[in-house]
Amino acid sequence: NAGVTQTPKFRVLKTGQSMTLLCAQDMNHEYMYWYRQDPGMGLRLIHYSVGEGTTAKGEVPDGYNVSRLKKQNFLLGLESAAPSQTSVYFCAHSPGVHSNQPQHFGDGTRLSIL
Amino acid sequence: GENVEQHPSTLSVQEGDSAVIKCTYSDSASNYFPWYKQELGKGPQLIIDIRSNVGEKKDQRIAVTLNKTAKHFSLHITETQPEDSAVYFCAAREVQFYFGTGTSLTVIP
Repeated sequence: NAGVTQTPKFRVLKTGQSMTLLCAQDMNHEYMYWYRQDPGMGLRLIHYSVGEGTTAKGEVPDGYNVSRLKKQNFLLGLESAAPSQTSVYFCAHSPGVHSNQPQHFGDGTRLSIL
Repeated sequence: GENVEQHPSTLSVQEGDSAVIKCTYSDSASNYFPWYKQELGKGPQLIIDIRSNVGEKKDQRIAVTLNKTAKHFSLHITETQPEDSAVYFCAAREVQFYFGTGTSLTVIP
């Protein structure tokens, strides 16, 4: 989907467990993003990256960490999962800010924390 | 930061009628405005976009208008079809993308 692969597609965790969500893009874009989507709340930005080796906080970063060691990959980590992190997580990528080009989204990772 | 408001949150229309979704933004520095369609179980997909130096853009049954002075932009879908039923999101970009909270459109056959 739009050159974005998210793994896994579904996951159920217990409170306190950790996991990493992987996003891979094949369009050589500079910017990558992680969003969470909850009913009635739209898309909320967790963290984003403007290039390899860089990361920045978005609107709701608490409880999450990210890394961008390679340009094509953006990893989202939950160190100690909480029920409030039950959500659908979307990765996206786009060219740089001056290009006025859209984001391309993956199909999401559905995560449930029990 | 930017604040994007989207209305209505739900919209039902008869097949063949038009649908209009409106968004406002707060940051006059925003210069790019995409619209996304999200079907159940899928990620958002771009359907049309507009840049700040353009007032209107059309693509078949879909059009977007932008009023920079009033800081609002709208999505217009004409001759709606059942397959148009989905959730639609507007967004505004200065550096990051800021999204509206979505409109759930139902087209009644």
